[in-house]
Amino acid sequence: ILNVEQSPQSLHVQEGDSTNFTCSFPSSNFYALHWYRWETAKSPEALFVMTLNGDEKKKGRISATLNTKEGYSYLYIKGSQPEDSATYLCAFITGGGADGLTFGKGTHLIIQP
Amino acid sequence: SQTIHQWPATLVQPVGSPLSLECTVEGTSNPNLYWYRQAAGRGLQLLFYSVGIGQISSEVPQNLSASRPQDRQFILSSKKLLLSDSGFYLCACSYRAPDTQYFGPGTRLTVL
Repeated sequence: ILNVEQSPQSLHVQEGDSTNFTCSFPSSNFYALHWYRWETAKSPEALFVMTLNGDEKKKGRISATLNTKEGYSYLYIKGSQPEDSATYLCAFITGGGADGLTFGKGTHLIIQP
Repeated sequence: SQTIHQWPATLVQPVGSPLSLECTVEGTSNPNLYWYRQAAGRGLQLLFYSVGIGQISSEVPQNLSASRPQDRQFILSSKKLLLSDSGFYLCACSYRAPDTQYFGPGTRLTVL
């Protein structure tokens, strides 16, 4: 059974502050790590797909890093805005086939104006 | 990007009743299709995935089944619902592992 752990479970951040949270996953048989943003009443929206150790990806104020040897990824949000409030999910995929994603429980982020 | 349709959006069913949730995908043919469920207090859990018509893989033993009668249609079913089947059901598609998965709007199922 694969375990994907995300921390913290929830986070309150002041508008304008920067923040980050963690995703831990099994380092063996790694294939890819996904990050999604899931806003209330919407579908999960893809942020990043990361496959290489040392990968760093950026999308606007959001960026992510990947360490496959030690099994963790960080998601950073710079200058948080109210619209960043959402649950951020990471998901892990092994092997090379069409297997589905193993998700963590998410980090629930609330940006306070 | 892909458009994924799911219906119904919400459903309240009595214990022991049957279930059929449908998912259809617009866009490129031959997608990989997935059913996920989020139960109360838990993360998204993969239930089934399919790489082609009639090909279904199940991740966990359960009261549910899935079928793929057409290339872009994925159906989740049960003959007799249990209370534990309550949750939020999401259909997703991808075109090449490990690429992005695209999610539908979901179905909220409450079993009473």
